[in-house]
Amino acid sequence: DVKVTQSSRYLVKRTGEKVFLECVQDMDHENMFWYRQDPGLGLRLIYFSYDVKMKEKGDIPEGYSVSREKKERFSLILESASTNQTSMYLCASSSLGLAGATDTQYFGPGTRLTVL
Amino acid sequence: AQSVSQHNHHVILSEAASLELGCNYSYGGTVNLFWYVQYPGQHLQLLLKYFSGDPLVKGIKGFEAEFIKSKFSFNLRKPSVQWSDTAEYFCAVIPLNTGGFKTIFGAGTRLFVKA
Repeated sequence: DVKVTQSSRYLVKRTGEKVFLECVQDMDHENMFWYRQDPGLGLRLIYFSYDVKMKEKGDIPEGYSVSREKKERFSLILESASTNQTSMYLCASSSLGLAGATDTQYFGPGTRLTVL
Repeated sequence: AQSVSQHNHHVILSEAASLELGCNYSYGGTVNLFWYVQYPGQHLQLLLKYFSGDPLVKGIKGFEAEFIKSKFSFNLRKPSVQWSDTAEYFCAVIPLNTGGFKTIFGAGTRLFVKA
């Protein structure tokens, strides 16, 4: 069974704090993703990584950065948290499918971040 | 901009009713298509996927989806829903000619099944 774990289920931070969200997968997947999930907006891609030390911006990268130093670990960093970053953050991993495209994504349980 | 539209944000059905959730996407090239489901308190998980071949795809728990290329649609169906199908359902599309990495998700449809 693929397992994707996230460091915290709930997190409360103050405006301006630096926030680290950690994600670990145990299936040797090449691809890892960070999304935020907001009601009525579905999942929006923040960043993804297709290999160690490789990263690409998603659709809403502003205010975020990422780090992938090891294949199994993908971190999301909020350099200076703001109230509009209050959200549910989901990490996912996937192998490569046909034609090198992303195959099924396996999701972690999510981190509900509240920024006060 | 590429987008994925799910027509219904909230659906309420009685047990044994039939279900169809609509999904349309705006991208005209080759795509991989997915439906994911999030049961209350659980992780988002795969329901079914389509890459190529038979456009009628069967997934877990009696769900199926039909890819209609001419309509840019990938609707999810189930002939008879159960109370345990109460969940949020997300359609997702991967356009292949942009590298095949990025998944575009719809806004989701919350299904509530009355016992």
